[in-house]
Amino acid sequence: GAVVSQHPSRVICKSGTSVKIECRSLDFQATTMFWYRQFPKKSLMLMATSNEGSKATYEQGVEKDKFLINHASLTLSTLTVTSAHPEDSSFYICSVGKYYEQYFGPGTRLTVT
Amino acid sequence: GENVEQHPSTLSVQEGDSAVIKCTYSDSASNYFPWYKQELGKRPQLIIDIRSNVGEKKDQRIAVTLNKTAKHFSLHITETQPEDSAVYFCAASMGGQNFVFGPGTRLSVLP
Repeated sequence: GAVVSQHPSRVICKSGTSVKIECRSLDFQATTMFWYRQFPKKSLMLMATSNEGSKATYEQGVEKDKFLINHASLTLSTLTVTSAHPEDSSFYICSVGKYYEQYFGPGTRLTVT
Repeated sequence: GENVEQHPSTLSVQEGDSAVIKCTYSDSASNYFPWYKQELGKRPQLIIDIRSNVGEKKDQRIAVTLNKTAKHFSLHITETQPEDSAVYFCAASMGGQNFVFGPGTRLSVLP
């Protein structure tokens, strides 16, 4: 498998502020990481694919200027939610791609007030 | 693009019975089909997977079958235990990219 950490686990922020979420691959050099969003009792929706050293590939309907993704090293990818609004409140989960498999981080619960 | 359907959405079984969850996919180019278990508030955990060059794979009480022609794959859990209670997601992928997840099945194992 792969060990993936995510920080913070929970964050509450005010509307209009930005929040950065970090995803780390602790035991594997990941050229590819993925960012997902999960609403309560719903499935995982892929937001973007993050490739080390290049621009992220965003899924249709995901605003790349709002959800900034940086994958500057083989062990770290960050997701910044800019100018957050209450509708951005959700569970954000990253994952590491290892060959065909994906291993998930513990998730970050974002609440925007 | 790929579309993954999953049935049933909820499933209740008695402890010791078997549970079967079925998924269908639309894109014949998909070649990797993992199953994840997610407990409330936790991360999804990979429990078993299958590639398109294999028809069946088993790991202790868990098995997955794949029918490429019909584009469907199933998860089989035998001798269910209360700790098997969780939400299970299937997914389809092309070579570890472009993962599309099913809507999930909430499994309850009743003691």
